[in-house]
This record gives sequence, structure tokens and C-alpha cells, in this order.
Amino acid sequence: DTAVSQTPKYLVTQMGNDKSIKCEQNLGHDTMYWYKQDSKKFLKIMFSYNNKELIINETVPNRFSPKSPDKAHLNLHINSLELGDSAVYFCASSQVRSRSTRIHRLNYGYTFGSGTRLTVV
Amino acid sequence: AQKVTQAQTEISVVEKEDVTLDCVYETRDTTYYLFWYKQPPSGELVFLIRRNSFDEQNEISGRYSWNFQKSTSSFNFTITASQVVDSAVYFCALSENFGNEKLTFGTGTRLTIIP
Repeated sequence: DTAVSQTPKYLVTQMGNDKSIKCEQNLGHDTMYWYKQDSKKFLKIMFSYNNKELIINETVPNRFSPKSPDKAHLNLHINSLELGDSAVYFCASSQVRSRSTRIHRLNYGYTFGSGTRLTVV
Repeated sequence: AQKVTQAQTEISVVEKEDVTLDCVYETRDTTYYLFWYKQPPSGELVFLIRRNSFDEQNEISGRYSWNFQKSTSSFNFTITASQVVDSAVYFCALSENFGNEKLTFGTGTRLTIIP
């Protein structure tokens, strides 16, 4: 059983199109993320959701819109695709406690999906 | 703000040699987590280790070992008796505990093991 699964694995599309990448985790984690890896292999967080609530939005263009229908799913929709959007997009999940507590939280580590290679032509 | 520096962009060693990958981090938090991930040519991110800031014990797992030194803010990774299958890009990452749970990655070190 794949812990964090992303679909599709490869996506080739023309500029201006709208596309979605889906992510599902079966680990029971309460937090999910999207990371982008550019052509130089640099990895940077885009979004994070905790129990369907957006908690991180790292200066990503409005064309990118995450959607979390439940805590096991975090999809990424991209409007009006541009050449610069070509990258590998990784979904991840982790288990952390509620942000409402100041009690020391344990980060049980991240699990990444296998990535979606998006090529915009 | 948190920052991770992997100064070694590329390293090549001959098979069976030992190799150390350096990682230096910056954080204002006293509680944080450090990670190493391996990204082989197939592209997936493979989790290797997580270390919290309270635990400075070095760790060994087979041919892999990690040296965590808070005094120098370093979390170095050593592969002994390297093998061709170790060829990959290795990423060090940092997560601060009291804040958001994002991982801040270093720029990665591409390791090539020459047969």
C-alpha cells in the first residue's frame, strides 16, 4: 500500500491550460503539504493544510489553488499554466499536534509522494 | 528565519571509499528537527533520518552514520564503504517545532560513486 500517492506521475500540457494534481495519504496524518522542486533541484514549500485548514501559503501565485476535501486528500489546481511552472511537485504528509497548544509537539517526520513531473510546452 | 546550507554541490568518490556530506543550519528556535533525504535518479524522496534538537547522540545505521553537533550547528552524514547504489542527490532539511511545520531544505549534494 502506497502511503502518499500522487497522480498523475507525468503531466505534459500547453501554456494557458488548467490542470490538477491529486494527492492522497493513508497514514492517518493530519497535515499535508505541497512542495515544488525546480530544474536546479531546489525544494521549496508551497502550501500546508492541517485538518483541511490552510496554514502555510508561501508567496505562491494565485494561479495555484490547493483544495483539501478531507484530511487524507490535498489536491493542487493550477490555472493558466506558464512555462515557468514546469517542475516536479511533491505532496507530503506528517503527523503533528494541534497548533492551539503550546505543549511541546512531536513532529513524526514527513512522508513524501513520488512526485509529479509537470512540463509546460 | 531558518536556513540550511549544503556547501558541497557535487562530490565524486571511488566505490568503497568513505564520504561525508556536510550540513550546516541556522534557526532561532531551541526546539527543532533535522532530516536527511536521498533522491536517487528515479526521483523519489527517500527518508533517511530525523533527529530532534534535544538528542545529540550520533546515530549509525548500517553503512550510514550521522554526526549532530549543536555547538557548530552541523548535522553531517557519512557513508562508509560507498557503493554505486549510493549515487544520488542528498538533501538536509530543518523543521522548527513552534511555528509552522514546513521543511526548509538545503540545496542538495549530488554524490556520484565511481565503480
